[in-house]
Amino acid sequence: QVQLEQSGAEVKKPGASVKVSCKVSGYSLTELSMHWVRQAPGKGLEWMGGFDPEDGETFNAQKFQGRVTMIEDTSTDTAYMELSSLTSADTAVYYCATLQEGGNLYFDLWGPGTLVTVSS
Amino acid sequence: SYELTQPPSVSVSPGQTARITCSGDALPNHFASWYQQKPGQAPVLVIYEGSERPSGIPERFSASSSGTTVTLTISGVQAEDEADYYCQSADNSGTHPVVFGGGTKLTVL
Repeated sequence: QVQLEQSGAEVKKPGASVKVSCKVSGYSLTELSMHWVRQAPGKGLEWMGGFDPEDGETFNAQKFQGRVTMIEDTSTDTAYMELSSLTSADTAVYYCATLQEGGNLYFDLWGPGTLVTVSS
Repeated sequence: SYELTQPPSVSVSPGQTARITCSGDALPNHFASWYQQKPGQAPVLVIYEGSERPSGIPERFSASSSGTTVTLTISGVQAEDEADYYCQSADNSGTHPVVFGGGTKLTVL
């Protein structure tokens, strides 16, 4: 059974960076398309971007380009999402989720989420 | 940018049928998926590829499509179905392949 385990909550100051991890168990990360979705308090889901295992490339929402880095450590089956130049608007729960590309794109498995709070 | 539009809230009594709509110009070209999210929990996929249910999702969850609108239907609503529901699809531009609707709060009266 595939499971996703995320790192713990973080508190960061404006301008800092945060790195969130997502460890896969029960499957190989190399066979998954891992993506990141965030949710600000009381708000909806917002796709950030993800990794395409077929070509090894990441593709991100335009909103986050230049500010987000997504990498994968296949030796430990752990994906990382680093977001830089944080502002209070980045306060959110950050989820990793596996993307399936069947008849459409959909997320079949989600991590429990990591709360990132940006506050001075 | 491309948007999927959902009503902010829907209310039904137990045992009734709840219908949650999602509208978007690209929906005739792309299947939609639906997620259920309860407070403090991660979203759970309830419908994918337009109308398919993952293993473990009750049969009372179904979905349909008509033109630029897709509809999640929950038949015989139970108290445990109270949650936020999000539709998700893709746009046609290729620059933002994953789009979520704004979410609908389903209240079971």
